[in-house]
Amino acid sequence: DAKTTQPPSMDCAEGRAANLPCNHSTISGNEYVYWYRQIHSQGPQYIIHGLKNNETNEMASLIITEDRKSSTLILPHATLRDTAVYYCIVKYAGNMLTFGGGTRLMVKP
Amino acid sequence: DAGVIQSPRHEVTEMGQEVTLRCKPISGHDYLFWYRQTMMRGLELLIYFNNNVPIDDSGMPEDRFSAKMPNASFSTLKIQPSEPRDSAVYFCASTGGGSSYNEQFFGPGTRLTVL
Repeated sequence: DAKTTQPPSMDCAEGRAANLPCNHSTISGNEYVYWYRQIHSQGPQYIIHGLKNNETNEMASLIITEDRKSSTLILPHATLRDTAVYYCIVKYAGNMLTFGGGTRLMVKP
Repeated sequence: DAGVIQSPRHEVTEMGQEVTLRCKPISGHDYLFWYRQTMMRGLELLIYFNNNVPIDDSGMPEDRFSAKMPNASFSTLKIQPSEPRDSAVYFCASTGGGSSYNEQFFGPGTRLTVL
C-alpha cells in the first residue's frame, strides 16, 4: 500500500540539474513530503521536507504541485557525489518514516 | 559533533551465536531508532525509543531480537540466537523533538553476516 510512486532509476549529466519526480496522489491535507537519500554503503541522509509551499535549502529545492499530488526534488548542479538512492516519503509529522524503493540516481561525467 | 556512532561496522558470526550491536546517538537527541536494511525488504524500522523508553517495537521480527537504552547516550540491539536470515545492515538513527522531530540522523550502519 505504497503512498508514493517514484521511477526506479534516472541518469543525469554532471553539472546539470537533476529533477526527481514523486507521485503521491492520495496525500492527505496534513501529510508532509520528505526526501532522504542514501549514498552507497552509508546511512540515509535527510535532504528536505515540505507541506504545501516550495522549499529550498543548501542541498536542494522541493517543488510541490498546487494540488499536492506530486512533487519534484531538484538538485541544481548535480555532482558525481550526488549518485545515490533518493527516497520520497509522505507522512504525518508525528509518524515514523517508511522507506519505499526510491529512485536510483546515477550522475555521469 | 561526531554524528551517530555505531559499532562494530562489520560483524561476521556463526548461526546460533549472540550478536550485540551498539549505538551512540547525537548528544541532546531524545529519539533513537533502529532500522534493518536488506535487498529483499528494503529499509525497515525495528524499534524506537523516546527519552530512553521503548515506544514502538512492532517492527522487531521476533523474540530473538531485543533492544535496550540504558541511558541517553547508549543503545544496544541484541540477537540471540542469530540466524542466517538476520544478515543485513543495521542502522541506528537519532533526532531531537519539536520541529526537527523527523530530520533523522543516521549512523554508518553495522553490516551483519550470519553464517
